[in-house]
Formats: sequence, C-alpha cells, structure tokens
Amino acid sequence: QVQLQQWGAGLLKPSETLSLTCAVYGGSFSGYYWSWIRQPPGKGLEWIGEINHSGSTNYNPSLKSRVTISVDTSKNQFSLKLSSVTAADTAVYYCARGHIMITFGGVIGNWFDPWGQGTLVTVSS
Amino acid sequence: SSELTQDPAVSVALGQTVRITCQGDSLRSYYASWYQQKPGQAPVLVIYGKNNRPSGIPDRFSGSSSGNTASLTITGAQAEDEADYYCNSRDSSGNPVFGGGTKLTVL
Repeated sequence: QVQLQQWGAGLLKPSETLSLTCAVYGGSFSGYYWSWIRQPPGKGLEWIGEINHSGSTNYNPSLKSRVTISVDTSKNQFSLKLSSVTAADTAVYYCARGHIMITFGGVIGNWFDPWGQGTLVTVSS
Repeated sequence: SSELTQDPAVSVALGQTVRITCQGDSLRSYYASWYQQKPGQAPVLVIYGKNNRPSGIPDRFSGSSSGNTASLTITGAQAEDEADYYCNSRDSSGNPVFGGGTKLTVL
C-alpha cells in the first residue's frame, strides 16, 4: 500500500522560501501526477500544482510565479518550493498522489489518493 | 473563489440518508471526486469517477451526477461520518479545483 511521508520547515519569516519534500513508499512513481495541496487554518483546500515522473509540471495560475515543484525519481521523492511567502501562505500543506481518468475524448476526471500527513507552515515575523 | 459550490453545512439524523451536493459548470464535462476530512486529519478519498469507492470505504457512501451537479449520498449516516466533505473536479482551464467544503453534522 502506497504511503506518502512529508517533511519541511514549519516556521518561516515573510519573504523567505517555503520548502517541503514528500517521499513515496510502496508503489510505482510513474503514471501519476504528484501534487501539492494546501489548507489555510479553518478554510478549504487549494490545489497548488503537480508534477509527473518525467518532470512535467502544472501550476495553479494564482501561485505560478512563486511555485516550483521538482522530482527526484532516484529517491521516489518530489518537492515544493514557494518563494516570497507572506502570512497569507500560512496553511497546512499536503502532498498527494494524483490520478487522472482518460477516455478517447480526453481527461474526464481526477482524484487524489493517498495523501501525506500534512505539514503546518506558519509565516510570521 | 471556487468554481465548485457546496453548501457550507448540512445535518442528518443518525441512520438517515443525506445528500451533499457540488455545483459547477465543469461538472458537465468532468466527474467529481469526494473527500472526507475529520479535524486534525488529512482528507480521505471516498468516491471517484462515475461512482467508485476506494478499498475500505463503506458502501453507504455513493456518488452520482446530473448536469452541473455532483452528489455524495450517505445512506444510513453514522456518528463517525460527521466530518467536512470536499468535492474536487477540474476548472475551465483543466486544472484541479476543490469546492469550498460542507460540514456534515450527524444528530
């Protein structure tokens, strides 16, 4: 059974760069979209971006200028960097394995399973 | 703002049936997936695709879709089903997007 374990710094000052890594245990790294999702305290979920095993990325347009997602297939790990953080970036950050459902007509659905345990990142001066 | 709209809160009596809905134009083209999140925990996938349940999810959870609305139905709600529920699909640009979430209270 696939498990995702994530880690990274939990307290940042404004303008610093958030850095998180997620390791994938017990399953194939190829064929999926490895994703980052965040949840501000008391609020809903926001998709940040994704990467596949070959390094192709896709980012949320609202965060694209500050986000970099990379992959290390030799370690079955993928990472998130978010630059120039502010208090608005305070959130629990989750990594997740993304699945896509495709027919002859194209993508018809997606889902995320499993998820990492989450990392609370607080931005405060 | 989310392109998927959910009711902020829904309640159900113990053992009764409840439907949680998710509305958005993209749902005419994409299936929704559904997640259960309990306080302090990561979301858990409960429904994906047309109406598929991951291993370990009770069969009282089911999904359906009509037009621009996707629904998660819990038939015979249990106390442990009290949680936040999020729908997920794709936006007009084809990027993943989540609904704002529905807080389910089991009375």
